[in-house]
Amino acid sequence: NAGVTQTPKFRILKIGQSMTLQCTQDMNHNYMYWYRQDPGMGLKLIYYSVGAGITDKGEVPNGYNVSRSTTEDFPLRLELAAPSQTSVYFCASSSPGRVGETQYFGPGTRLLVL
Amino acid sequence: RKEVEQDPGPFNVPEGATVAFNCTYSNSASQSFFWYRQDCRKEPKLLMSVYSSGNEDGRFTAQLNRASQYISLLIRDSKLSDSATYLCVVNSVNDYKLSFGAGTTVTVRA
Repeated sequence: NAGVTQTPKFRILKIGQSMTLQCTQDMNHNYMYWYRQDPGMGLKLIYYSVGAGITDKGEVPNGYNVSRSTTEDFPLRLELAAPSQTSVYFCASSSPGRVGETQYFGPGTRLLVL
Repeated sequence: RKEVEQDPGPFNVPEGATVAFNCTYSNSASQSFFWYRQDCRKEPKLLMSVYSSGNEDGRFTAQLNRASQYISLLIRDSKLSDSATYLCVVNSVNDYKLSFGAGTTVTVRA
């Protein structure tokens, strides 16, 4: 049982490039999330999904896209990378009805946009 | 106004000391409350849930004050391994989402 896995662990992008951050969970959780965490700041929700085929915007969705074709996978797409997207990205999953108690995070992807 | 606010600290305490800190939340409809722990450059992990009557988990005690809209965490007999950032987390009426505070940093020194 690997929990939540994320790839890559670290990436440097040039301004204007695009990339996909991968996230997979093996706990059969319905809910999945993408957060970003800037230094000294709290986690900010980018997008979330309550099940396969259903996604919705969080607080800071601009510049990102997601898809959820399976229960296990929830990739985050960055189009036209900008320096403001330099951050640590965490994927998480949880069970309905017990979101706070069952929210498991992946190890994070550190992204630097130059 | 931020949904969840915390004193960022840092709280620097010697081993064996007691340290306590609070978190305030703005949405009076918030239903569930948690403390998460985040070690440097790692992912957050659930430390404990916070119940209305207050609860303990070993050396950790959490309290909830709904009238004043704050929760607290107290750590007794601090260990070096307690050094971390503690995130206050609130689950509002919407079941799907959690709101995270920016964290309170605790450093326990030998």
